[in-house]
Amino acid sequence: EAQVTQNPRYLITVTGKKLTVTCSQNMNHEYMSWYRQDPGLGLRQIYYSMNVEVTDKGDVPEGYKVSRKEKRNFPLILESPSPNQTSLYFCASSTPGQVGSPLHFGNGTRLTVT
Amino acid sequence: GENVEQHPSTLSVQEGDSAVIKCTYSDSASNYFPWYKQELGKRPQLIIDIRSNVGEKKDQRIAVTLNKTAKHFSLHITETQPEDSAVYFCAAVETSYDKVIFGPGTSLSVIP
Repeated sequence: EAQVTQNPRYLITVTGKKLTVTCSQNMNHEYMSWYRQDPGLGLRQIYYSMNVEVTDKGDVPEGYKVSRKEKRNFPLILESPSPNQTSLYFCASSTPGQVGSPLHFGNGTRLTVT
Repeated sequence: GENVEQHPSTLSVQEGDSAVIKCTYSDSASNYFPWYKQELGKRPQLIIDIRSNVGEKKDQRIAVTLNKTAKHFSLHITETQPEDSAVYFCAAVETSYDKVIFGPGTSLSVIP
């Protein structure tokens, strides 16, 4: 089944404790991205990647890191989480091209930083 | 910066009535316009999309219209049902995916 898999679904941590949220897709998509969703603010892009070893900042990259060592994986790293990073996070993937392809979203990771 | 405006932010309709959500974008390079539905606690999922060379597209009870000159696109849902209750997001996309801009979302409630 074609899908984007995120783990974990729920995560509670404390300020300053490094964490990684994993994202993997099995559709051979070149494009992958991370979004955070907060009430009233919609979906805001954190980082995106157009292909292996190519990553770029989105609208709200501060406090986050990503890597794209393999095409299928795009982990989100919070080196020193803070309470303002408490949010719902989505990973998504797609295929860039001339005709336009939709984003496929993972099931989300609800992160709470205390 | 580039942005997408979406109206209304909340919409309440009686079952069987129609619902219309409107978006306006600013990036002239946008050429792909998907709509996503997000049910409570779930991920956004594509419900319909339209490309810049098309003015209208319909899929059963759902239709989308695009006016590239005015930079407007709209989602139309007819004969609404309670299961249509969700948050709907529009997006303006450059198909190279160099830029993806989401609207802030519309919370639709369909009252039985």
